[in-house]
Amino acid sequence: GAGVSQSPRYKVAKRGQDVALRCDPISGHVSLFWYQQALGQGPEFLTYFQNEAQLDKSGLPSDRFFAERPEGSVSTLKIQRTQQEDSAVYLCASSTRLAGGYVQSYNEQFFGPGTRLTVL
Amino acid sequence: KNQVEQSPQSLIILEGKNCTLQCNYTVSPFSNLRWYKQDTGRGPVSLTIMTFSENTKSNGRYTATLDADTKQSSLHITASQLSDSASYICVVTFGVQRGTASKLTFGTGTRLQVTL
Repeated sequence: GAGVSQSPRYKVAKRGQDVALRCDPISGHVSLFWYQQALGQGPEFLTYFQNEAQLDKSGLPSDRFFAERPEGSVSTLKIQRTQQEDSAVYLCASSTRLAGGYVQSYNEQFFGPGTRLTVL
Repeated sequence: KNQVEQSPQSLIILEGKNCTLQCNYTVSPFSNLRWYKQDTGRGPVSLTIMTFSENTKSNGRYTATLDADTKQSSLHITASQLSDSASYICVVTFGVQRGTASKLTFGTGTRLQVTL
């Protein structure tokens, strides 16, 4: 089956513009994560969904960042009024969940190729 | 301060040579440690994952070691190939809570270049 896919792969936005980044997780994966990766740095956690519920959004840098996963599959990360410091690669990852509802930390996270956002 | 530090930042080696990448972490409580390979323009791909009770884990030419007492890990690459050129990222998981997913703390990575 296909892995995690993201679109667009590249996005150039003018400062102040709104953008929407899409993530299609692996089919059947319950957990979905968004990460921000600045140039030359490791990814940093933004937010986490379990099905349609956003259980952790502690990593979102400001209220201009908003993520949703309304039907528990595809997710969209929206950035309003983009700023230059938002320029980064945005990675999406998905993982399975053990039966019974307990997510083992050992669960593999499968990453998409990322969306490279450049804000001019 | 990043809780996962990696060294060196970059490394150039000749094809066929071995190399070792280092990772030191301060994340607590510690759950597991992973090494990822990230090719340019791609998402990270898992190489190994170890719990705190494991000392070593191999995946082909990649061997990871873990010393939970000193909070150090290494990734050894044997007989390097041109395709090994990538960033290698050490990732530590901490604080697993029931009903939530693990939160990963990423190092900044070591950029490896294998040349002829």
